[in-house]
Amino acid sequence: AQKITQTQPGMFVQEKEAVTLDCTYDTSDPSYGLFWYKQPSSGEMIFLIYQGSYDQQNATEGRYSLNFQKARKSANLVISASQLGDSAMYFCAMRESLYTGGFKTIFGAGTRLFVKA
Amino acid sequence: DGGITQSPKYLFRKEGQNVTLSCEQNLNHDAMYWYRQDPGQGLRLIYYSQIVNDFQKGDIAEGYSVSREKKESFPLTVTSAQKNPTAFYLCASSDSAPISNEQFFGPGTRLTVL
Repeated sequence: AQKITQTQPGMFVQEKEAVTLDCTYDTSDPSYGLFWYKQPSSGEMIFLIYQGSYDQQNATEGRYSLNFQKARKSANLVISASQLGDSAMYFCAMRESLYTGGFKTIFGAGTRLFVKA
Repeated sequence: DGGITQSPKYLFRKEGQNVTLSCEQNLNHDAMYWYRQDPGQGLRLIYYSQIVNDFQKGDIAEGYSVSREKKESFPLTVTSAQKNPTAFYLCASSDSAPISNEQFFGPGTRLTVL
């Protein structure tokens, strides 16, 4: 069965510094997608970045980049120049194809990031 | 504006009562999903629907039921059979393909059983 593991329940980072949030995954499907979402205290889920299993380059979106190491099955999120507004829960997710033709997404347990002033 | 709406935002229920959570989207997405989130935890899939009049059980479907009679609507009923229903419920939708399409989430409903 597919699985997403986020081993860091909580992380602290100083404002303006970079931080890496870890994510490992397990799947036997050759075609999959990896996502990172941010969840502020309000509860909404905000899409941050996507990496496809066949993508040759690491994905980047502004201050967010995804360190994709396929052989290690890891998809770590790097946030550069942290801001106070980055304090939130961060979820790694994996989307796999279903035999029915649709997709299913599973989420990790999340990492709570605290940005210190 | 396009998006997903969930109502109500907060819901209180007496033990033994069924309750229905609303989810509506105007993004013209084929696929819709319901997730449950417990405090400090990740999201767990309850039910999902790839197309109108069709839906599949997710990982924790016991004690829940859904319907998908219209493309834009995917209500979730929490039945009295659900042993511990107090949680935060999130509805999401996405285009069916390609795999790179992210899910769009509603604001969530916080259900408390008294």
